[in-house]
Amino acid sequence: AQSVAQPEDQVNVAEGNPLTVKCTYSVSGNPYLFWYVQYPNRGLQFLLKYITGDNLVKGSYGFEAEFNKSQTSFHLKKPSALVSDSALYFCAVRDSYTGGFKTIFGAGTRLFVKA
Amino acid sequence: NAGVTQTPKFQVLKTGQSMTLQCAQDMNHNSMYWYRQDPGMGLRLIYYSASEGTTDKGEVPNGYNVSRLNKREFSLRLESAAPSQTSVYFCASSDNLSSYEQYFGPGTRLTVT
Repeated sequence: AQSVAQPEDQVNVAEGNPLTVKCTYSVSGNPYLFWYVQYPNRGLQFLLKYITGDNLVKGSYGFEAEFNKSQTSFHLKKPSALVSDSALYFCAVRDSYTGGFKTIFGAGTRLFVKA
Repeated sequence: NAGVTQTPKFQVLKTGQSMTLQCAQDMNHNSMYWYRQDPGMGLRLIYYSASEGTTDKGEVPNGYNVSRLNKREFSLRLESAAPSQTSVYFCASSDNLSSYEQYFGPGTRLTVT
């Protein structure tokens, strides 16, 4: 079965420090991977995706993610965290079994950036 | 572009009442989705519509019905609301032919008493 795991419920980081939010996946075939962010009382917003190509993907708000096929990981990173980055982050994978029409979301990781 | 819009933003229902949540997108996307989000449960797919004229069950379809009215609009109906349906409901859309990422509406916070 295809799945996504976010092993940390919460990540705490000081403003200005680098941040990493972890994600591992299990899929058949080539993975289509996504990161979304959710601010309080808002819907999810798309941050970035990996479909093919360079393993380092750049997205919105200075975020990037590194695709690692051998470790089946797609960790979200940012070189210097901002307080405004505090939010709930979801990793997701496209479900190829349903023809790609569904997306499987991880449980989410809450990021706290302290000033 | 408004993106994905949902109405209403908030709703309180009594057990047994019915209601329809409305969703519309103006991005010409072919696929649309309804999710519910509960604390500690992440996002769970209720129903989806791969393209206009088709709908399919997701992970938690019981107690819900959907209608893909046209390419823009995808509604979710609760026929007889139950307290277990208290949740935040999100509609989303995507272009599953080329870009795949989903775009979400602002959500509807539903309380069933």
